[in-house]
Amino acid sequence: KNEVEQSPQNLTAQEGEFITINCSYSVGISALHWLQQHPGGGIVSLFMLSSGKKKHGRLIATINIQEKHSSLHITASHPRDSAVYICAGYGGSQGNLIFGKGTKLSVKP
Amino acid sequence: NAGVTQTPKFQVLKTGQSMTLQCAQDMNHEYMSWYRQDPGMGLRLIHYSVGAGITDQGEVPNGYNVSRSTTEDFPLRLLSAAPSQTSVYFCASSVFQGPLYGYTFGSGTRLTVV
Repeated sequence: KNEVEQSPQNLTAQEGEFITINCSYSVGISALHWLQQHPGGGIVSLFMLSSGKKKHGRLIATINIQEKHSSLHITASHPRDSAVYICAGYGGSQGNLIFGKGTKLSVKP
Repeated sequence: NAGVTQTPKFQVLKTGQSMTLQCAQDMNHEYMSWYRQDPGMGLRLIHYSVGAGITDQGEVPNGYNVSRSTTEDFPLRLLSAAPSQTSVYFCASSVFQGPLYGYTFGSGTRLTVV
């Protein structure tokens, strides 16, 4: 069965800290998506990657295909980064996204 | 504004009632999909479509129906609402179905069935 597992489930950080959220996935996943869900509920796509590393501002996403593992890093975290971060793997027999349960991040000033 | 528009934002239904959740996109995306989000669980795929006239079931299709008569619209119908269908529903679209095409999500519909 195709699965996507995220850790930690909850994360509290102080402003300025470096943050890492992890995602492990099973065989059959060919790409990883990272999404951000705002406190108001809206979902925004952050990254899509199938190899290597991508960077956008203070956000960095990496993927290790051999280990079936991806990480999302936030440098110099800020309270506005507080959100739920969702990892989703593309794959399965139907070729759709399979979602992790999300990591709720709270950044304190 | 270009994007995915979902209506309504909130809805309360009585058990047994039917209703349609609307989803429209103006980006000419071929792929559209419906998800439900429940506490402690990841988003789960209900139905999806890879183009007008084509729909398929996802992980949790029971109790829901969809159609795709145009590229722009992908309504989700609840045939006979049950309390187990209380959830937040998201519609999303993508240019095509594929591993590295980005998704655009609607703002969600919070549905309560009493």
